[in-house]
Order: sequence, then C-alpha cells, then structure tokens
Amino acid sequence: DTGVSQDPRHKITKRGQNVTFRCDPISEHNRLYWYRQTLGQGPEFLTYFQNEAQLEKSRLLSDRFSAERPKGSFSTLEIQRTEQGDSAMYLCASSIRDRGSEQYFGPGTRLTVT
Amino acid sequence: AQRVTQPEKLLSVFKGAPVELKCNYSYSGSPELFWYVQYSRQRLQLLLRHISRESIKGFTADLNKGETSFHLKKPFAQEEDSAMYYCALTPYGANSKLTFGKGITLSVRP
Repeated sequence: DTGVSQDPRHKITKRGQNVTFRCDPISEHNRLYWYRQTLGQGPEFLTYFQNEAQLEKSRLLSDRFSAERPKGSFSTLEIQRTEQGDSAMYLCASSIRDRGSEQYFGPGTRLTVT
Repeated sequence: AQRVTQPEKLLSVFKGAPVELKCNYSYSGSPELFWYVQYSRQRLQLLLRHISRESIKGFTADLNKGETSFHLKKPFAQEEDSAMYYCALTPYGANSKLTFGKGITLSVRP
C-alpha cells in the first residue's frame, strides 16, 4: 500500500461539463475526507465519510457537488455543470477513527475549467 | 466556528537562522492543533501535533491557550526546510475535519 491515491491527477474540462474524481484511501482507514484548495489558500473542507456513511458536508458544497463511498473503500466526488470557479486542487485524505489520528493526504486532482 | 490565522505569507531566512512560523486560532472548545508541511512536488504531510509534544526535524510547537497560538519554531534552519507550512485545527478528540490556515512559504537561503 503506497498511500492515498487519486485519479486523475489533472483534469481539464469545459464549463458546463460533469467531472468525476476518484480517491483510494489507505486500506485499513475507515475515514475519508475531501478538501478543495485554491491558489493562495489552505485546504478547505468539503465532506467526509466514516465507512460508507457521509457524516458531514460543508455548507460551501453546492448542490452540484456529490460524493459517495459505496462500499466503504474508494470514494468518488462528482461535480455537475462545472463552472470556472470550480477550478482548484481537490485533495483526498484518509485516517483511522481514533482520537488524534493523522490524516494522510493524496496527491490531489487539479481541475481546470475553461 | 473554527478559524486558523497565519498572518504571514512568506518567511525568508538564511541557513542557520532561527525560524518562527506564527499560527493563531479561534475556537470556543478545546482544540487539537497540527502543523502540516508540503515540500516541492510532494503531497501534504503531517509535521507535528500538539498532543504528541514531539520535536520533528528539529521543529517544536507549543499550544498557548491564553494567547490562542501554536507557533512553529526551529532554532537553526536548514535549506531542506524550505516548503509550504500549514497550521490546522480540529475539535479535540473528534478526529474530524481539519480547518487550515492559508499557509506560509518558508524559504531558507544558503
């Protein structure tokens, strides 16, 4: 296991198209997080799962965004009808559900909406 | 609401100089504080957290609840310390979402 992986690493899409990103967490980790990072900002929380249950969604997450973790393993983040403001780095992280557990981050998916 | 403030965007020092990266937070409950680091072309990784009270790569950070600060310090900077540093907070014991500051670029010149 080489850590959290994300696919694709880069995505260029035209405004109005739908995109889907995948995250594969570290195998024994039951918590999975999605963050978004724009230029000059720190990562910003979007949503997180414990196993297959989505426990929290940011109020910043519009209805165009949806995330799933159907079998408690990998997760997908879909953005419908993309807008230029969606251009960002999308980061995935995973952790074990223990107090003080470290979140391990993936390399990110860079989305560019033209 | 949780907030993390890193007041500076860039700190440039010479090798061997002391380093202090500032972090202030706002949270009504008990926080758990972290420093994450991102080296060039690498992923974000944990550097240290206040509950472990460790020194990692010569860096230390002490949680000051009175001043609501968690500054990162190193007495003698090395060139390999050059990276982006983020301070982050989560409610103590919750192991939930992290709230990050905007980050600071540390540049260590030879």
